Amino acid sequence: DQQVKQNSPSLSVQEGRISILNCDYTNSMFDYFLWYKKYPAEGPTFLISISSIKDKNEDGRFTVFLNKSAKHLSLHIVPSQPGDSAVYFCAPQINYGGSQGNLIFGKGTKLSVKP
Amino acid sequence: DAGVIQSPRHEVTEMGQEVTLRCKPISGHDYLFWYRQTMMRGLELLIYFNNNVPIDDSGMPEDRFSAKMPNASFSTLKIQPSEPRDSAVYFCASSLRGAGTEAFFGQGTRLTVV
Repeated sequence: DQQVKQNSPSLSVQEGRISILNCDYTNSMFDYFLWYKKYPAEGPTFLISISSIKDKNEDGRFTVFLNKSAKHLSLHIVPSQPGDSAVYFCAPQINYGGSQGNLIFGKGTKLSVKP
Repeated sequence: DAGVIQSPRHEVTEMGQEVTLRCKPISGHDYLFWYRQTMMRGLELLIYFNNNVPIDDSGMPEDRFSAKMPNASFSTLKIQPSEPRDSAVYFCASSLRGAGTEAFFGQGTRLTVV
């Protein structure tokens, strides 16, 4: 039962261009959506998040867009840099009265940014 | 704080042996998560604790897997007996109370069962 899907296992873009990573979910109860980045041989690190009451959150080169009606979100990286090459995970979460529920992850999208 | 600390970083063991993975969360964090990463299944949540109490262990694959959190600064994930299909990278993560707060991950334990 996959509640969160990242349908593109990999993505390759040219340095300086936009990278768009997509995530679809099925559970309308999700209240938060977090994005994590993972380099080889390291644990995932938090990148950016968005609350379900918003449709956009921006942090520097990273912007996440949320379309609740379509149960879809996307992470935009502009401009892409070679150091952005990593696996990106979408991780939704439910808010249980201020306490967090479990944090599940999509299967990830491997981004390669070519110089 | 040194972050989430996992040990060992690498473990090679023979099939049938007991394996114990260890995790020290960030001090003050209320939540602790154990994940397993494989090529086929990605990052799977195995179990998570809140204030040392297991909340959801539905991701634990079999009875061979068990996890404990005897105090706020230590958790173990045990596999007994281990099998080759348990080979994976196991991550521990911790976070503060509050939905939407980020989880901090350790560097993982790469387990190989031969």
